[in-house]
Amino acid sequence: GDSVTQMEGPVTLSEEAFLTINCTYTATGYPSLFWYVQYPGEGLQLLLKATKADDKGSNKGFEATYRKETTSFHLEKGSVQVSDSAVYFCALSGLGFDAGNMLTFGGGTRLMVKP
Amino acid sequence: DTGVSQDPRHKITKRGQNVTFRCDPISEHNRLYWYRQTLGQGPEFLTYFQNEAQLEKSRLLSDRFSAERPKGSFSTLEIQRTEQGDSAMYLCAGTKGQGANIQYFGAGTRLSVL
Repeated sequence: GDSVTQMEGPVTLSEEAFLTINCTYTATGYPSLFWYVQYPGEGLQLLLKATKADDKGSNKGFEATYRKETTSFHLEKGSVQVSDSAVYFCALSGLGFDAGNMLTFGGGTRLMVKP
Repeated sequence: DTGVSQDPRHKITKRGQNVTFRCDPISEHNRLYWYRQTLGQGPEFLTYFQNEAQLEKSRLLSDRFSAERPKGSFSTLEIQRTEQGDSAMYLCAGTKGQGANIQYFGAGTRLSVL
């Protein structure tokens, strides 16, 4: 079945450092890929998405590129802020018009940004 | 604010008791999903509805669990004879249309079974 693997945390960075959170997936065909973020005490929020190979999703300075050849969707940000401290989840959804399109999540990566 | 609300936010119960959670998506959400998230893990799919029809259930959804969406609007998730292993965050998400559309999550209901 489908699965998502992301790097374990916590990831601790200083403000303005470069961020990479690795995510790889296993799925048949071409799933859609997502990054969700969970701030303390809040629900999951969509950060960005990509629906086909070589698409780049971007939002709030974060970027991720759908790489079919390496089955990866790594999250990057050039300069993190303290306010980016949160748990980040990589996810994929199934295929086709009649697919349930339920999300399969990775285990999450906690990011801590220090001033 | 995603517009998806869940109630209650926290529920503490004793083992063996029944509990019921409610999810209210926005009116445009024809699809509604339930997920379970245990501490330190990513959410896992439980079940989903297309309008009022329950179309798929995960193997995680034992026969002690039941979900309904009677009028295609709000949904309830009931757990009978709760066990300590049921302690988790229960998340609801809504989406419009079909295909790989964005799912909008509620803040979740945290269940603690003592």
